[in-house]
Amino acid sequence: QKEVEQNSGPLSVPEGAIASLNCTYSDRGSQSFFWYRQYSGKSPELIMSIYSNGDKEDGRFTAQLNKASQYVSLLIRDSQPSDSATYLCAVEVLGGSYIPTFGRGTSLIVHP
Amino acid sequence: KAGVTQTPRYLIKTRGQQVTLSCSPISGHRSVSWYQQTPGQGLQFLFEYFSETQRNKGNFPGRFSGRQFSNSRSEMNVSTLELGDSALYLCASSFGTSENEQYFGPGTRLTVT
Repeated sequence: QKEVEQNSGPLSVPEGAIASLNCTYSDRGSQSFFWYRQYSGKSPELIMSIYSNGDKEDGRFTAQLNKASQYVSLLIRDSQPSDSATYLCAVEVLGGSYIPTFGRGTSLIVHP
Repeated sequence: KAGVTQTPRYLIKTRGQQVTLSCSPISGHRSVSWYQQTPGQGLQFLFEYFSETQRNKGNFPGRFSGRQFSNSRSEMNVSTLELGDSALYLCASSFGTSENEQYFGPGTRLTVT
């Protein structure tokens, strides 16, 4: 059974701080990792994908992957109230169905 | 590039009726996946169609079915609606290969009364 675990939160950070969102997964064959942002009442929006160990930066977002420890994280620098949303982690297994397994999401609240 | 579109956006149906939802993927994408999202259960995978064939299926009863057309557009059908089918139904399109980035449509909000 493939599992993707996220702390449901809410994670509350002040405006301008770094928000750190974490995700662990159970299948060592996982090869592709995705972060989605979902605003309340809206559909998930892909914000980052990462396939290799290490960091990947895109603007204020940095995804970090550590396959040995089976975790992937998302850092949001200079957090803004507009970043308040639920962040979903999704993991795809090598040689699998091409369908990622989604975590339940972490709710992030950025307060002014 | 146009995104994923879903119709209708909102739907109210009565228990026992059936419903058909439609999804048009991003141009060039051959895979369409359907998900059900409820507050209690999160995002649950229904099924995936790739090149007009159902390639993957989640753990949903046979009342939930789908199909994909030659232009990659997909429809999902739910028969004999139950109150518990009230949810946000999302479709996601992708190339359907490894490193499979999925892009979601806006969803159809289904309410069953």
